[in-house]
Amino acid sequence: TQLLEQSPQFLSIQEGENLTVYCNSSSVFSSLQWYRQEPGEGPVLLVTVVTGGEVKKLKRLTFQFGDARKDSSLHITAAQPGDTGLYLCAGVPGGSTLGRLYFGRGTQLTVWP
Amino acid sequence: NAGVTQTPKFQVLKTGQSMTLQCAQDMNHEYMSWYRQDPGMGLRLIHYSVGAGITDQGEVPNGYNVSRSTTEDFPLRLLSAAPSQTSVYFCASSRLQGEYSNQPQHFGDGTRLSIL
Repeated sequence: TQLLEQSPQFLSIQEGENLTVYCNSSSVFSSLQWYRQEPGEGPVLLVTVVTGGEVKKLKRLTFQFGDARKDSSLHITAAQPGDTGLYLCAGVPGGSTLGRLYFGRGTQLTVWP
Repeated sequence: NAGVTQTPKFQVLKTGQSMTLQCAQDMNHEYMSWYRQDPGMGLRLIHYSVGAGITDQGEVPNGYNVSRSTTEDFPLRLLSAAPSQTSVYFCASSRLQGEYSNQPQHFGDGTRLSIL
């Protein structure tokens, strides 16, 4: 079983539409990271959300951390073809001292012109 | 600043051959990890290390060995390549991960490996 479940797995939309992707867990995380991976490249960090209920904005991308710190969402407004890529959430669950970073399976987003 | 460097970028092997994927970082990061990425599967952790001389298994360790003799280098060895190991492999590094020190991972550009 995955510690971090992402949904949907695939999303194909037209330019200009809005979308939301989700990252859920039964475990509590002190923080969660969101990465974007473009074809042929490694993932790149977009944002880290730290406080329960926190909302962070990065241009047209809005990231939210759930109040219970078990889930996070990424909302994209007026999607553009340049937003196409694999979106991954990652975190270290509560109770870990020095350990591994867990990734979700990702949401593959395709935005058509 | 080179960041995380992976070599080779592409490799084709025959079943049963062995090889080593190289990973080096110049950021003095303690935490290094290897992932494989297959279509629809996201990133799956193979092995990771929290410092020189310390390694541990991830989600899919079978068929792979690692060692960490220096802070900078974290090679991944395929002992006897199998077609199921055809994948894209990513190495990543960061400061030590922990519950209250969620460090951003820096990824290499990947090695695309095909096993025939």
